[in-house]
Amino acid sequence: QVQLVESGGGVVQPGRSLRLSCAASGFTFSNYGMHWVRQAPGKGLEWVAVIWNDGSNKYYADSVKGRFTISRDNSKNTLYLEMNSLRAEDTAVYYCARTFYVWGTTDALEIWGQGTMVTVSS
Amino acid sequence: DIQMTQSPSSLSASVGDRVSITCRASQDISTYLAWYQQKPGKVPKLLIYAASTLQSGVPSRFSGSGSGTDFTLTISSLLPEDVATYYCQKYNRVPQTFGQGTKVEIK
Repeated sequence: QVQLVESGGGVVQPGRSLRLSCAASGFTFSNYGMHWVRQAPGKGLEWVAVIWNDGSNKYYADSVKGRFTISRDNSKNTLYLEMNSLRAEDTAVYYCARTFYVWGTTDALEIWGQGTMVTVSS
Repeated sequence: DIQMTQSPSSLSASVGDRVSITCRASQDISTYLAWYQQKPGKVPKLLIYAASTLQSGVPSRFSGSGSGTDFTLTISSLLPEDVATYYCQKYNRVPQTFGQGTKVEIK
């Protein structure tokens, strides 16, 4: 079935780096734009980044621009989020999500992973 | 950037009540609006896209309306399983901003 599985979360010190992965299955990964969305403990959803299906375009929320990098490997059906210079305010559950439409870029988010927790703390 | 404002932030209603949640965009977003339901401890679920199109498998008691800057999510007859936080999200262009959420509880 259609599935997204995140991994790579954990506890990291402020200023350090972490890379999240999102493994996709059950659909043609290379046909869909992919997003990262995060949710701080007890807070609402915050959109983080998007990457076009072919990796040609990437966009970020202002809160992570210059620190986070979204990428994908369509041969491995995997989405990534490289997070550098981490701050306490980056502490959140990070979800990867797939666009609704084939070739979708900015789009409703139809399929979500279960999330991976990132805690930034000394 | 366009801001998305939901109201109310929370509501308490009785089973069977008609419940409405509003979402206002600070600029015209046409019908590029989605609604999500997030039950406690669960992953967000797409309910409605294109402002008024019900996602497959979503009960017909949910409906969406609006265009431009003002949107509404309506639950026609509230059930206990509808206890959740509901989010709107605009997707006309980046950033795909979410509203702050509306928590729905049973009275």
